Amino acid sequence: GENVEQHPSTLSVQEGDSAVIKCTYSDSASNYFPWYKQELGKRPQLIIDIRSNVGEKKDQRIAVTLNKTAKHFSLHITETQPEDSAVYFCAARRGTSYGKLTFGQGTILTVHP
Amino acid sequence: DADVTQTPRNRITKTGKRIMLECSQTKGHDRMYWYRQDPGLGLRLIYYSFDVKDINKGEISDGYSVSRQAQAKFSLSLESAIPNQTALYFCATSDPPAGGQETQYFGPGTRLLVL
Repeated sequence: GENVEQHPSTLSVQEGDSAVIKCTYSDSASNYFPWYKQELGKRPQLIIDIRSNVGEKKDQRIAVTLNKTAKHFSLHITETQPEDSAVYFCAARRGTSYGKLTFGQGTILTVHP
Repeated sequence: DADVTQTPRNRITKTGKRIMLECSQTKGHDRMYWYRQDPGLGLRLIYYSFDVKDINKGEISDGYSVSRQAQAKFSLSLESAIPNQTALYFCATSDPPAGGQETQYFGPGTRLLVL
């Protein structure tokens, strides 16, 4: 089955800096890659996703890049703010396995004011 | 998202007890999921259901069972709870993918402690 590795497990940045979280996946048939954000004590929520026919997608301060050849994808947050502090999960889904997301281990991002 | 609710929110039980976690949704979604979250392990899929008559095992189904009582209700049971089932459990729902994209909406979670 699919295996998703996420790094780093913790990330600490100063407000205004950029943050990058990286994930690698094992199944070359995976074609959908969402990112979920979980604030402390809250439920995970989708913040951005990318399909395999696209190399990059942006939404204001967040962006996701995908390298299909290397089987890795990354979340980029620019101009970080304290409210970006949360746990971020990447996930991957095989094209024929709708609904079956395989999640990474999570990254605890802390943005210091 | 108040459209997906879970009961109870917290539960303490003893080894060997049978317990049920319940999930209800008012989003009208056909698809429902149960995950467990453990520190350092992310979210792992236990069971999922694409409609009332469809139940599928996820990656860690051993020791768990589910029931899809209606489109809006999906219950997770631990037949004989053991301490390593101590975790945060999330229910989630989704619609079939649109253009390949599929948002899963999570409930607030149930924190389970097995003594």
